[in-house]
Amino acid sequence: SQQGEEDPQALSIQEGENATMNCSYKTSINNLQWYRQNSGRGLVHLILIRSNEREKHSGRLRVTLDTSKKSSSLLITASRAADTASYFCATDAGTALIFGKGTTLSVSS
Amino acid sequence: GAGVSQTPSNKVTEKGKYVELRCDPISGHTALYWYRQSLGQGPEFLIYFQGTGAADDSGLPNDRFFAVRPEGSVSTLKIQRTERGDSAVYLCASTKGGGATEAFFGQGTRLTVV
Repeated sequence: SQQGEEDPQALSIQEGENATMNCSYKTSINNLQWYRQNSGRGLVHLILIRSNEREKHSGRLRVTLDTSKKSSSLLITASRAADTASYFCATDAGTALIFGKGTTLSVSS
Repeated sequence: GAGVSQTPSNKVTEKGKYVELRCDPISGHTALYWYRQSLGQGPEFLIYFQGTGAADDSGLPNDRFFAVRPEGSVSTLKIQRTERGDSAVYLCASTKGGGATEAFFGQGTRLTVV
């Protein structure tokens, strides 16, 4: 089962531009996490935001969470070619992490 | 070990055969997850262990799939009578457990059923 839905499915930008990805989910959560995946193999954790938090920053990443709308956004500022990857949101409702279908980001130099 | 280790990295098997996929989590991590990922899709939850017991196996697609974690560390995902539709990358992840923590993923096993 997949709870989260990322939007857009694919995003192409130039280096230096900002990239924004959105995630919507269906049920109440304890926290929401964003992961990155290169080449369809292992995922890497980027950032976790708890249900009582509204915004969180980590380096060039900014995550927002709106529990009333059941949505989150991931902003990558000043993107680089190395940011090219798939990005997934994952919701934690107390048991398993449930992932969305992801956004494929392509950053061209 | 330093990270989550999955073996084999690739497995090709014939339709109808039995396969075992192994996951060695980070030492001390109590929670372990199995996911299946098809091309262009997100990881699909299969089963979650807390210690030795399966806390949630609601994602297992049918009774051909089974997973064990007998000593609360290494886990094995077992697939009987494989079908071509089982072809996917099988991912394992572990967490410290007990609250909001990040999951550490292995590199996955790419299973191809021919």
